[in-house]
Amino acid sequence: NAGVTQTPKFRVLKTGQSMTLLCAQDMNHEYMYWYRQDPGMGLRLIHYSVGEGTTAKGEVPDGYNVSRLKKQNFLLGLESAAPSQTSVYFCASSYRKRPGLAGGADTQYFGPGTRLTVL
Amino acid sequence: AQKITQTQPGMFVQEKEAVTLDCTYDTSDQSYGLFWYKQPSSGEMIFLIYQGSYDEQNATEGRYSLNFQKARKSANLVISASQLGDSAMYFCAIKENFGNEKLTFGTGTRLTIIP
Repeated sequence: NAGVTQTPKFRVLKTGQSMTLLCAQDMNHEYMYWYRQDPGMGLRLIHYSVGEGTTAKGEVPDGYNVSRLKKQNFLLGLESAAPSQTSVYFCASSYRKRPGLAGGADTQYFGPGTRLTVL
Repeated sequence: AQKITQTQPGMFVQEKEAVTLDCTYDTSDQSYGLFWYKQPSSGEMIFLIYQGSYDEQNATEGRYSLNFQKARKSANLVISASQLGDSAMYFCAIKENFGNEKLTFGTGTRLTIIP
């Protein structure tokens, strides 16, 4: 199994250009997530999906759109890139365990990341 | 709102020694999970260990163990017999079990193992 893969690994954009980042997972996970990582700030959730055809906003959704047309794929779009979107983008996926007294939180598994620079 | 605090920006440890990385958290939920991830210089995020809020025993995974003190809201990662390959950034994270899908990360600790 490849786990979680991301395409592309690196990208340089000019301000105002658009692009789509592709995330694919082969673990049959229901949930998928997009995070961004900036220096000194840890990872922050952009958008997530709890199943095929569903999406929801995370902590920092402005300037991004997402789509989940197939269970295994989660796309992150930048319609008009800005220098503030220069970051490393991580995709993650997880099962949704049934929560119960014995923990139950779902472990998120991450892709290798995409380094995006907006000039 | 959930929050993770990692107070050690960097640590240097001699090879083969044990190391403890600190993590304190804040949450209003009773049911939550705590996670540790490793990020080597190559950039990927590697899941290390998980502790559920209702788990009575501390989690262990090989050389990794989690010192979970619920009353103090701390979830420190202990690495035994450190190796050069342990040099990396380490992130503590929390996720509440009901409703909130966000995994909240701390700012990380950079661990350097000295030969």
